[in-house]
Amino acid sequence: QQPVQSPQAVILREGEDAVINCSSSKALYSVHWYRQKHGEAPVFLMILLKGGEQKGHEKISASFNEKKQQSSLYLTASQLSYSGTYFCGVVNNNAGNMLTFGGGTRLMVKP
Amino acid sequence: DAGITQSPRHKVTETGTPVTLRCHQTENHRYMYWYRQDPGHGLRLIHYSYGVKDTDKGEVSDGYSVSRSKTEDFLLTLESATSSQTSVYFCAISELWTDTQYFGPGTRLTVL
Repeated sequence: QQPVQSPQAVILREGEDAVINCSSSKALYSVHWYRQKHGEAPVFLMILLKGGEQKGHEKISASFNEKKQQSSLYLTASQLSYSGTYFCGVVNNNAGNMLTFGGGTRLMVKP
Repeated sequence: DAGITQSPRHKVTETGTPVTLRCHQTENHRYMYWYRQDPGHGLRLIHYSYGVKDTDKGEVSDGYSVSRSKTEDFLLTLESATSSQTSVYFCAISELWTDTQYFGPGTRLTVL
């Protein structure tokens, strides 16, 4: 079952922060975050495994809340280059299940 | 960047014609995937492969078939294309199941 991402779209000014959420109706084994720019392929940002790990990539970090069955992506002091669509992908319950992607969150950073 | 190429990059075809998309990797990864991407639906898995001649269905496999005769190549075939198969198709690879997936550049297919 597809995870739900929120918000669907967000507009920021350069330097502002944003949070993108990814919720699943089933227990999570792992969460994957990708960013896709218009007309390009999705690019891997980070992977989180159950256990509440928080991982970072440049000024982008993420958390994994096993109890709430959700993950959040934190974009700090956003840059113009952060614009794009962010997708979370989840593996539910155990490593034998397949990766299922959410519908995406469109992020636009303006000068 | 992972060595993944897709061909063709763009294709326009007519309803009822067969279409084959090719994904080629130079990473020697075991797992290969075909996704389609449509507005509002994110990425949906069509088929995947876990080795040469080993393939399985994904979430939206109806109307599609795949083949993998070599580790580096994964073919997606639309036996008789329909307008509902107009989409952007991405190939992805990973070393392990549910490991990080790396995506190819995509193929934009239009079925008239």
